[in-house]
Amino acid sequence: DAGVIQSPRHEVTEMGQEVTLRCKPISGHDYLFWYRQTMMRGLELLIYFNNNVPIDDSGMPEDRFSAKMPNASFSTLKIQPSEPRDSAVYFCASRLRAGGEQYFGPGTRLTVT
Amino acid sequence: GIQVEQSPPDLILQEGANSTLRCNFSDSVNNLQWFHQNPWGQLINLFYIPSGTKQNGRLSATTVATERYSLLYISSSQTTDSGVYFCLTRGTYKYIFGTGTRLKVLA
Repeated sequence: DAGVIQSPRHEVTEMGQEVTLRCKPISGHDYLFWYRQTMMRGLELLIYFNNNVPIDDSGMPEDRFSAKMPNASFSTLKIQPSEPRDSAVYFCASRLRAGGEQYFGPGTRLTVT
Repeated sequence: GIQVEQSPPDLILQEGANSTLRCNFSDSVNNLQWFHQNPWGQLINLFYIPSGTKQNGRLSATTVATERYSLLYISSSQTTDSGVYFCLTRGTYKYIFGTGTRLKVLA
């Protein structure tokens, strides 16, 4: 099994630009999670999906952030426009079923200058 | 909302020593997981342990949900155990990471 795949691994962009982060969950997993890690706030949940449907997006910081899951094998997290305070490591995770363990991808390190 | 605190925040050990890391949560939880974040930033699953005790080699974990805590035991620590240890749990509606324990094991 390839595990959770995220791309790109590193992204450097200028303030105001659109950023799209991508995630491919483990095949067969029904749940997909997006987390963000910063020094100030630690690891925090942004949004999660069950069977491609967003269940809880209360962690999405503001309207500049959006996430989609068009099918069971792909999700995107988009930031438009990006700001320097969005600089962080963004992790994607997937889970087979309710009550099971989450498996994390390698993360995308985003730097907004 | 639910609070998840870990202790100690920092820990320095000599190689070969044992340690206990603690995760306290302020409300009833489920889906308790322990992770090791290695120096390269990768989050590695250690245990999924909503209750009871599990062991995997030098590591073991115990969760007492009724007392609202979980413990991670590391025995005979090695330099490769260095990194940050996190617990992740779910309250009524939210998934919450603990504050982390930063461990450094000295050779």
